[in-house]
Amino acid sequence: SQKIEQNSEALNIQEGKTATLTCNYTNYSPAYLQWYRQDPGRGPVFLLLIRENEKEKRKERLKVTFDTTLKQSLFHITASQPADSATYLCALVSAGSYQLTFGKGTKLSVIP
Amino acid sequence: GAVVSQHPSRVICKSGTSVKIECRSLDFQATTMFWYRQFPKQSLMLMATSNEGSKATYEQGVEKDKFLINHASLTLSTLTVTSAHPEDSSFYICSPLEGGAPPGETQYFGPGTRLLVL
Repeated sequence: SQKIEQNSEALNIQEGKTATLTCNYTNYSPAYLQWYRQDPGRGPVFLLLIRENEKEKRKERLKVTFDTTLKQSLFHITASQPADSATYLCALVSAGSYQLTFGKGTKLSVIP
Repeated sequence: GAVVSQHPSRVICKSGTSVKIECRSLDFQATTMFWYRQFPKQSLMLMATSNEGSKATYEQGVEKDKFLINHASLTLSTLTVTSAHPEDSSFYICSPLEGGAPPGETQYFGPGTRLLVL
């Protein structure tokens, strides 16, 4: 069955460092991979999308990589700030589909 | 990003009562609406997909007679949890999709509704 794993449930990092979150998947061939931010008691907010034929995407302090051979995506936040503290979700989409399949998320805490 | 509202933001009800959750797409016409629920420390799980004017399609394990979805207009969809029980306590989130939007692209989510059934 399809499985999406985000490397850890929680990650603590010192302010100013780079946070790296991992999303691994099995039995899936996604055409797109998306990353969302979710704050407590709120719905997810879209951050970045990367397609299967793309290796890397950047947006300001965010960077996403996508390795379809390893079946893995890495999500980086450089120069992390306490305001970056949130849960980050990866979501996969199959070709031609609108349906998102989410991982459980990684709760990032950036310590001042 | 798109503006999506949900009402109420949180609701507490007694077991056996029904609860209606509204989702509004405020700046685009949503021909499709996805309803998700999220239990604590779990991933968002798709419950059902509805297209405006037609019956919703439910995911495996989701009872269509218990979770009634109405998508009568392009800007409003409702989810009614009928005869709610404590195990229905969860965070319910809607996600409208604009007609013609390409698959896989950015999707928008409502702020969620926290349901607690006593």
